[in-house]
Amino acid sequence: DAGVIQSPRHEVTEMGQEVTLRCKPISGHDYLFWYRQTMMRGLELLIYFNNNVPIDDSGMPEDRFSAKMPNASFSTLKIQPSEPRDSAVYFCASTPRATNEKLFFGSGTQLSVL
Amino acid sequence: GDSVTQMEGPVTLSEEAFLTINCTYTATGYPSLFWYVQYPGEGLQLLLKATKADDKGSNKGFEATYRKETTSFHLEKGSVQVSDSAVYFCALSDRSGNKLVFGAGTILRVKS
Repeated sequence: DAGVIQSPRHEVTEMGQEVTLRCKPISGHDYLFWYRQTMMRGLELLIYFNNNVPIDDSGMPEDRFSAKMPNASFSTLKIQPSEPRDSAVYFCASTPRATNEKLFFGSGTQLSVL
Repeated sequence: GDSVTQMEGPVTLSEEAFLTINCTYTATGYPSLFWYVQYPGEGLQLLLKATKADDKGSNKGFEATYRKETTSFHLEKGSVQVSDSAVYFCALSDRSGNKLVFGAGTILRVKS
């Protein structure tokens, strides 16, 4: 298996632009998580899905952030409009069942908002 | 709410030195505990885990023991290598068992 695949690997954009991050989880994994990593706040859970349904989005910072999972093999995290404080590494992770199982992380998307 | 506190880094050691990275937690009930490692430019990988009190997780020479009485899960390795240089994250599963709560991470640098 290729593992969790995220794209793009790097994204540089200007403030106010829309940004879309993409994730393909490992086939057969029922849970998908979006995390954000910054020096100041460490690793924060933004949202997670179970069987394509959003279960907990309490970590989404504000209405500018939205996430979708239209099918079992694809998820997006969108920021509109983007701001410089959104600059971070965004990770997607998947797991077959509940989190007591091993989480498989993608390589992340490094987002820079100028 | 649930939380994890790790020792601040960076931790800088010479090759073959002994490593300890402290981790304490606050949680309701008895969560499962984890150590994840992040190598440069990569996502996190599970290093080891323990699911109940007094369990010892181990992998690649690293060990951690689930101590309920001190709410701790310290990571240890007897002899570090340059290739162990990475960021180490302590984590717990929340009450639902569906989410991981991570500590801030500890940078480890091993010099040859």
